Amino acid sequence: QAQLVQSGPELKRPGASVKVSCRASGYIFTNYGVSWVRQAPGQGLEWMGWISGYNFETNYAQKFQGRVTMTTDISTETAYMELRSLRPDDTAVYYCARDPITILGVVPPGGFDPWGQGTLVTVSA
Amino acid sequence: DIQMTQSPSSLSASVGDRVTITCRASQSIGGYLNWYQQKPGKAPTLLIFTTSSLRSGVPSRFSGSRSGTDFTLTISSLQPEDFATYYCQQTYSSVGSTFGQGTRVEIK
Repeated sequence: QAQLVQSGPELKRPGASVKVSCRASGYIFTNYGVSWVRQAPGQGLEWMGWISGYNFETNYAQKFQGRVTMTTDISTETAYMELRSLRPDDTAVYYCARDPITILGVVPPGGFDPWGQGTLVTVSA
Repeated sequence: DIQMTQSPSSLSASVGDRVTITCRASQSIGGYLNWYQQKPGKAPTLLIFTTSSLRSGVPSRFSGSRSGTDFTLTISSLQPEDFATYYCQQTYSSVGSTFGQGTRVEIK
């Protein structure tokens, strides 16, 4: 069955960058996209952006434009999310999720399924 | 950006109760509305996609419906394993997806 496995927890200083990985298995990677969602402690879900597993197209939430980069490595079926200029309020659990969208603007039926287990990123001096 | 307003933010219910959670979109999103369940310390899991389609393996006591820009998640008979936080999500906008604020379902 489809599965996403994320990299381990990170502790970063303010101003640093973090790169979280998300390795896919059990499905054809290029038939789906990957979305990234974060959740601050005790808070709700916040969509950060999406990358196509098909054509490397990306779509970032305006809030993160200029500070986030999402990439994929087709050979290892791994997606990456890099967030730069970290601040303490970036402390959160970061999730990747399989997204049915492969082409921007074309939305097939389906939701984010499955999700990775989450990666805790702590930003503290 | 499309805003998703979920209500209530929390509710207390008993096992066997019928529970309804509502999500209102700030503009038309067609039927591009999904529902997720999240338990403490765990990743969210998909329950319902495209308004009313039940994900494989999800119990039939969960259902979804729509009236215009108002969407509803109904749990027909609450079970002990259903105590969790529920989120709606729109995937209509090409600008990007947005989630509701969440509804925490607690034991009365």
